[in-house]
Amino acid sequence: AQKVTQAQTEISVVEKEDVTLDCVYETRDTTYYLFWYKQPPSGELVFLIRRNSFDEQNEISGRYSWNFQKSTSSFNFTITASQVVDSAVYFCAGGSQGNLIFGKGTKLSVKP
Amino acid sequence: NAGVTQTPKFRILKIGQSMTLQCTQDMNHNYMYWYRQDPGMGLKLIYYSVGAGITDKGEVPNGYNVSRSTTEDFPLRLELAAPSQTSVYFCASSYTGLSYEQYFGPGTRLTVT
Repeated sequence: AQKVTQAQTEISVVEKEDVTLDCVYETRDTTYYLFWYKQPPSGELVFLIRRNSFDEQNEISGRYSWNFQKSTSSFNFTITASQVVDSAVYFCAGGSQGNLIFGKGTKLSVKP
Repeated sequence: NAGVTQTPKFRILKIGQSMTLQCTQDMNHNYMYWYRQDPGMGLKLIYYSVGAGITDKGEVPNGYNVSRSTTEDFPLRLELAAPSQTSVYFCASSYTGLSYEQYFGPGTRLTVT
């Protein structure tokens, strides 16, 4: 069975702080895919990143970075110098057989 | 290129009524999906399709039906609406399976009273 755990339900930070969102994906399969999506207050779901289980290189895109560690099944997401526009619910999702399983999401509030 | 479009954006149904949620994509994607999102929860898969004429159940298919007669369209039918179907419904598409990201429509907020 697959399971996606986002242990942080809500996080609140002050603008310009760095923040890390945690995600753990459990599966017995060796080949799998991991994703992060952003859901701003407007409600749409925006794709951020895709990673496969064979690629453990960290990735940086502007203020966003992702750290994948296969040994701990973690795929964490860091926002550097957070901004108010980063306020959203962030979903981690994973899949190895069949379809994607979504975590319950982490609500990030960035206060000015 | 509109991406994934959904209609309607909002709908209120009475218990026992039926309706169809429309979904269209213009990216020539093979795979299409229907999810529901309940408050404070992640997305749960209702049905999916890997191509025209092929559909399959997801995690929570009871109370819903789908069809896929064309690559572009993937309507979701609710028969005999119940309060438990109050949710936000998202349609998504992807080029193929898990190795490609899914693109989501704007969602339909459905209330059953």
